[in-house]
Amino acid sequence: GDSVTQMEGPVTLSEEAFLTINCTYTATGYPSLFWYVQYPGEGLQLLLKATKADDKGSNKGFEATYRKETTSFHLEKGSVQVSDSAVYFCALSLHYNAGNNRKLIWGLGTSLAVNP
Amino acid sequence: DTGVSQDPRHKITKRGQNVTFRCDPISEHNRLYWYRQTLGQGPEFLTYFQNEAQLEKSRLLSDRFSAERPKGSFSTLEIQRTEQGDSAMYLCASVGGRVETQYFGPGTRLLVL
Repeated sequence: GDSVTQMEGPVTLSEEAFLTINCTYTATGYPSLFWYVQYPGEGLQLLLKATKADDKGSNKGFEATYRKETTSFHLEKGSVQVSDSAVYFCALSLHYNAGNNRKLIWGLGTSLAVNP
Repeated sequence: DTGVSQDPRHKITKRGQNVTFRCDPISEHNRLYWYRQTLGQGPEFLTYFQNEAQLEKSRLLSDRFSAERPKGSFSTLEIQRTEQGDSAMYLCASVGGRVETQYFGPGTRLLVL
């Protein structure tokens, strides 16, 4: 079935370090791919998305490129800040049968802690 | 646009009791999802509504769970005869128009003692 695998955490970095969080997927069709972020005590927020192969999503200095050949959507940021400390979730959606249902299939989440 | 709201934010109940959660989506969003998230896991899909019609239910949703969206606006999720394994964060998300982005509420954290 459809699934998402992302690297396990926690990831601990110093401020201004380079961040990569790996995400790979298995899907029967052509999914859209998402990164959501959950800051402490807050709800899930969309960070970025890509809807087709070779698209690059970007937001707040984060980037991820939809790689169909490697079925990957790795999250990167060149210089992390303390305020980036959060849990990051990779997810995919496909068009399922029931009336425009595009439920999200999620990875387990990767906790990131950035130290000053 | 006030965002998706959920009520209550926290619920502690005893095993065997019934609980009901409410989700108010972003106004005019016609699609609504419920997910469940346990500690250290990603969210898992529970059910999907398009307007008032419940179009998909996960196998995770046992017969103790029921969800409604009577007027195509707010939705409720009821758990009957709660079990300790029901302890989790229950998340609601809404989507409008032709975009795919799901907007999430803050969640309701349930603890069953």
